[in-house]
Amino acid sequence: EAQVTQNPRYLITVTGKKLTVTCSQNMNHEYMSWYRQDPGLGLRQIYYSMNVEVTDKGDVPEGYKVSRKEKRNFPLILESPSPNQTSLYFCASSPLKTSGINNEQFFGPGTRLTVL
Amino acid sequence: AQSVAQPEDQVNVAEGNPLTVKCTYSVSGNPYLFWYVQYPNRGLQFLLKYITGDNLVKGSYGFEAEFNKSQTSFHLKKPSALVSDSALYFCAVSPDTGRRALTFGSGTRLQVQP
Repeated sequence: EAQVTQNPRYLITVTGKKLTVTCSQNMNHEYMSWYRQDPGLGLRQIYYSMNVEVTDKGDVPEGYKVSRKEKRNFPLILESPSPNQTSLYFCASSPLKTSGINNEQFFGPGTRLTVL
Repeated sequence: AQSVAQPEDQVNVAEGNPLTVKCTYSVSGNPYLFWYVQYPNRGLQFLLKYITGDNLVKGSYGFEAEFNKSQTSFHLKKPSALVSDSALYFCAVSPDTGRRALTFGSGTRLQVQP
């Protein structure tokens, strides 16, 4: 089954304790992206990647890191989480045309993160 | 910078009536426009997209959207609403060249009453 998986689905942690949220897709998509969803703000893009070893900042990259060493995986790293990073996080992937993002994105089920 | 505005936090409509969810956008160059739907405790699901061509785009579950370049709008419509259409709807835009970022609106909650 074609899908995007995220782990963990729920995480409660404390300020400053490094964490990683994994994202994996089995559709051989070039484009992968991380979003955070907050009430009244919709989805905001954190980072995206157009292919292996190619990443770029989205609208809200501060406090986050990503890596794309393999095509299928795109982990989100919070080196020193803070309470303002409490949010619902979504990973997504899409095939990428050279002319831009003109294909639908497939979203993972989400990771609800609470930073105390 | 690109942006998307969804001016209504919530839209209420009676089952069987037509529905419209509004979206306006700002982007450099030509837009790629999308609508996504989110059901409770689920990820987003693709509904439809406008890339080029016919201004009226048809998508999943009987939804359609009309691209209006002069008004920079991409409103989502359905001729006859169902209770099961109740969900959170997001409009999104990406430019056709340059930076491959995708910007979402803040979302509109659609409530269809029986």
